[in-house]
Amino acid sequence: EVQLVESGGDLVQPGGSLRLSCAASGFSFSLYWMMWVRQAPGRGLEWLANINEDGTKTNYVDSVKGRFTISRDNAKNSLYLQMNSLGAEDTAVYYCAGGHKVDSWGQGTLVPVSS
Amino acid sequence: QAVVTQEPSMTVSPGGTVTLTCGSSTGGVTSGQYPYWFQQKPGQAPRTLIYETSKKHTWTPARISGSLLGGKAALTLSGAQPEDEADYYCLLYYSGLWVFGGGTKLTVL
Repeated sequence: EVQLVESGGDLVQPGGSLRLSCAASGFSFSLYWMMWVRQAPGRGLEWLANINEDGTKTNYVDSVKGRFTISRDNAKNSLYLQMNSLGAEDTAVYYCAGGHKVDSWGQGTLVPVSS
Repeated sequence: QAVVTQEPSMTVSPGGTVTLTCGSSTGGVTSGQYPYWFQQKPGQAPRTLIYETSKKHTWTPARISGSLLGGKAALTLSGAQPEDEADYYCLLYYSGLWVFGGGTKLTVL
């Protein structure tokens, strides 16, 4: 069964940092681009970043460039999102997605940013 | 950054047909922007329905199809079912970056 499972979501104070993880199983993780997407409460989906198969190419939306870093460990079938300098506007459910033509989505992990 | 536009809401009668569209602030949507369509129901993660304009995953209902129409990407539901009530998002590619549309809330009523 193809599965993506995010973890690491937690309450964080403004200005703080957090690292999200996404564990992949049931497909050849190392063969596919992967991405992170978020959804603020009551809002639409926002594409954040993606990374190529071997981790050598990354792209970011302007709103997180310089603050967030996407990475992967193919030996561990895992995707990561390091988030720094978090603000209230970063409060959202964070999803990892990817696989063959984005056929897989995780269930999401909630990151509330509040003092 | 480009802006991707979708109808905020649409309503379709059970058994009816509805077309949702996805436009781009940079001009006409092309196949080179690899339009994707996603369905999201309340409290659930999104699910990919259509990729590269019109290609379907194995779970995509036959009544759902994708196309380019009048300079926009389009998602057509023919013979709408109650379970089609959901939010629908398109995603377009812009030179290494991807941008979601604001989503369309589809009501089957």
